[in-house]
This record gives sequence, C-alpha cells and structure tokens, in this order.
Amino acid sequence: DIQMTQSPSSLSASVGDRVTITCRASQSISSSLNWYQVKPGKAPKLLIYAASSLQSGVPSKFSGSGSGTDFTLTISSLQPEDFATYYCQQSYRTPFTFGPGTKVDIK
Amino acid sequence: QVQLVESGGGVVQPGMSLRLSCAASGFIFSNYGMHWVRQAPGKGLEWVALIGYYETTKYYADSVKGRFTISRDNSKNTLYLQMNSLRAEDTAVYHCVRGPLFQWLLIGDFWGQGALVTVSS
Repeated sequence: DIQMTQSPSSLSASVGDRVTITCRASQSISSSLNWYQVKPGKAPKLLIYAASSLQSGVPSKFSGSGSGTDFTLTISSLQPEDFATYYCQQSYRTPFTFGPGTKVDIK
Repeated sequence: QVQLVESGGGVVQPGMSLRLSCAASGFIFSNYGMHWVRQAPGKGLEWVALIGYYETTKYYADSVKGRFTISRDNSKNTLYLQMNSLRAEDTAVYHCVRGPLFQWLLIGDFWGQGALVTVSS
C-alpha cells in the first residue's frame, strides 16, 4: 500500500498568514494527489485534484504543487473560514490512502 | 444540485450486521463510480470501498474485505454498503462519495454528510 505522510500535524496561524502544508507519498504517484478540507460535522470538501488543479468553486487562495512523491498545499492568505483540518489523498492506485491530516487553528 | 444522503446508521453489537444506503440526486448516477469513506471519532479519513459505474468493478480496503459488500441500484439512484461481522473498530461516520465521471478513482468532488455507525456491546 502507498503510505501518505503530512507535515506539520498541526499549526497555529493568524488571519492573513501564508500557510504551507506538505504531503509525501511512500512511492511515486505521479500527479495523482488530492487535497480536502474537513470541518467538524461537515462533509469534506475537495480543494485541489491532480496535484495542482483547483476544484470548481474553490477560491484561488488555495493552490497545490508537486509531483512524484512530494506535494504542497498553500493557502495564500488565511481567513477565519479556513481554520480546519486538511488531508492529502492519493488516487494513483487502490487502496486509496489519506494522509493523517494537518489541523490549522488560530494563533 | 448534487445531493448524497446517507441513511441506515445506528448502534449495533459486535458481530451484528447493518446496511447503509446513500440516495443520490442531481446527477446521472449510473455514470459515476462511487465510494464509501469513513472517519472514526477523533481519527482521520479512511477509504472503505469503491464500485464502478457498472457493478463489475469493486475494490475494498483490507480492513473490511470479506465482511463488507458494496453495491448499487442504478434504477433507484442508490448506493449501498452491507456491513457484516461488525467490530468496535468499525465505529465511524460513513460518507458516500462521488468519483469522477466514468471513472472509479477516488477524487471525491461530492460527499454526503455521513451516517454514524457505532459498534458497542
């Protein structure tokens, strides 16, 4: 199975900060990497697919990059609604696996 | 608009069975692969199973293989998850997730709110 890791596991940031989250795959997954935002009690939301493609309706402050084994999610200017947990997920092969998540909270 | 509404969750004892349903609307259900993804309390997301837009393609996580069965009824726009021999570690919120058009990859552009399954004696 492809193992996904994320760093940091949590971070504290202020409104307006630029935030970067890193995801690493245990083997090359090309660009088959997706990012989700999860808030308590709500359905997960797809932000980025295929490593760098912005999902329809998602604000452009979210961006993704990377290929192979190393990927990043960047939020250019953190807003109150962005405080959540972010997960990466590989769609390269089954079993589809998620990273352990990065919790972004208010400093 | 696209809607996925899960039902059938509840509290069951270990070893018992439960069937989850996911009613889909707002899109041509038969054209999309579908998935179940779960989140245990305080834990991360875990992919459980997928079914292709026709039933010929099915895959399962090792943790549920042989105990869970995914199926669909395209005439009813409904996805199912039959869960047998339930264990405490199956306790989670189970989400129904839509995959891409004519694919069975997990790129979940729409998720249901989820159904809570609690396995406890």
